[in-house]
Amino acid sequence: KNEVEQSPQNLTAQEGEFITINCSYSVGISALHWLQQHPGGGIVSLFMLSSGKKKHGRLIATINIQEKHSSLHITASHPRDSAVYICAVKGAFGNEKLTFGTGTRLTIIP
Amino acid sequence: DTAVSQTPKYLVTQMGNDKSIKCEQNLGHDTMYWYKQDSKKFLKIMFSYNNKELIINETVPNRFSPKSPDKAHLNLHINSLELGDSAVYFCASSQVYGIGELFFGEGSRLTVL
Repeated sequence: KNEVEQSPQNLTAQEGEFITINCSYSVGISALHWLQQHPGGGIVSLFMLSSGKKKHGRLIATINIQEKHSSLHITASHPRDSAVYICAVKGAFGNEKLTFGTGTRLTIIP
Repeated sequence: DTAVSQTPKYLVTQMGNDKSIKCEQNLGHDTMYWYKQDSKKFLKIMFSYNNKELIINETVPNRFSPKSPDKAHLNLHINSLELGDSAVYFCASSQVYGIGELFFGEGSRLTVL
């Protein structure tokens, strides 16, 4: 079992739908990253958070440290949001390496 | 101007050859990383350098040798390439080790025949 699990693995939705991608982890962490990998392969950092909630445009990321869970939400989804979304956790002090989830492939249909 | 640039973007080579992938960042960051993404798209840390010094060396075969001539560059040299080395290799940087946003290069797709 991976230390970082994402769900769903694949998600197809209609344009305009509200999207939620989940990330659960089993280890103590100091921070969590959400990354977006475009169909062309490039990776972009969306959020880094260690508590609460962050918002950037139509994207919202939340984290619940006690429940070891984070969600990435996309409001008013658009075909250009189609990508793989990857959750990665940074270990606690002394173990700062990133451990990645297996990604969620999101496809938004016009 | 690309923040983190890798070359080459594509590399096709025979088993047993030695090859290098170069990475440069112009962000003034202290820390650089190499990640490997396998055929199942799973990303895994390989190396992390902070101010030219090795911080993380995951269980990577010693055929892989990173070299950081200065903190803006982190090159990956691979000796005696094997079929299983075929993957996409991503370079990344962050301002400070373990803290802050990651900036990724475009990836280098290595195919070993």
